[in-house]
Amino acid sequence: IAGITQAPTSQILAAGRRMTLRCTQDMRHNAMYWYRQDLGLGLRLIHYSNTAGTTGKGEVPDGYSVSRANTDDFPLTLASAVPSQTSVYFCASSDSLAGHNEQFFGPGTRLTVL
Amino acid sequence: GQSLEQPSEVTAVEGAIVQINCTYQTSGFYGLSWYQQHDGGAPTFLSYNGLDGLEETGRFSSFLSRSDSYGYLLLQELQMKDSASYFCAVNWSSYKLIFGSGTRLLVRP
Repeated sequence: IAGITQAPTSQILAAGRRMTLRCTQDMRHNAMYWYRQDLGLGLRLIHYSNTAGTTGKGEVPDGYSVSRANTDDFPLTLASAVPSQTSVYFCASSDSLAGHNEQFFGPGTRLTVL
Repeated sequence: GQSLEQPSEVTAVEGAIVQINCTYQTSGFYGLSWYQQHDGGAPTFLSYNGLDGLEETGRFSSFLSRSDSYGYLLLQELQMKDSASYFCAVNWSSYKLIFGSGTRLLVRP
């Protein structure tokens, strides 16, 4: 099935725990992104990767890390979760050379940190 | 800083036309995109304007004026299924977007 998948769908996590959100795309897009969306707010970019092997910081990178070992996978890690990281997390991918940079979003992970 | 402004909420009647405005102030600008998001769903791409003017895709049109740092999304022949949140987003680098806070559109019968 073409597209972008995320796991888990939702998670409740104790503060201080480590958590990795998974993201996989099969569209061979070069660029991938992680966003968080809080109630009443738009999407804010956490980290991005323009190509396998490279990553960069977005608007709100603190407390998160990413890696891009290959084209398809882009996991997001919370090293020590805090309640302010309670949010819906969306992974996205795009062919950034396509001009309009249409981004395709995964279904999201709803994360609650207690 | 970088900012995008759009109305928080708009209500319209089925069959009507609605316009959602977006003004922006960003350090870079490659184009203006629009995304739709239904409650509980993922954002989906609607349109992109890289140059000034109007782009039409079916019932949806999008307009850009770079000199005014302004754009809008026009939805015609509104249907109940158009009830959703609409986000403008500036492509401020060749591959990065910054999103507005979204406009919640409620279509009434």
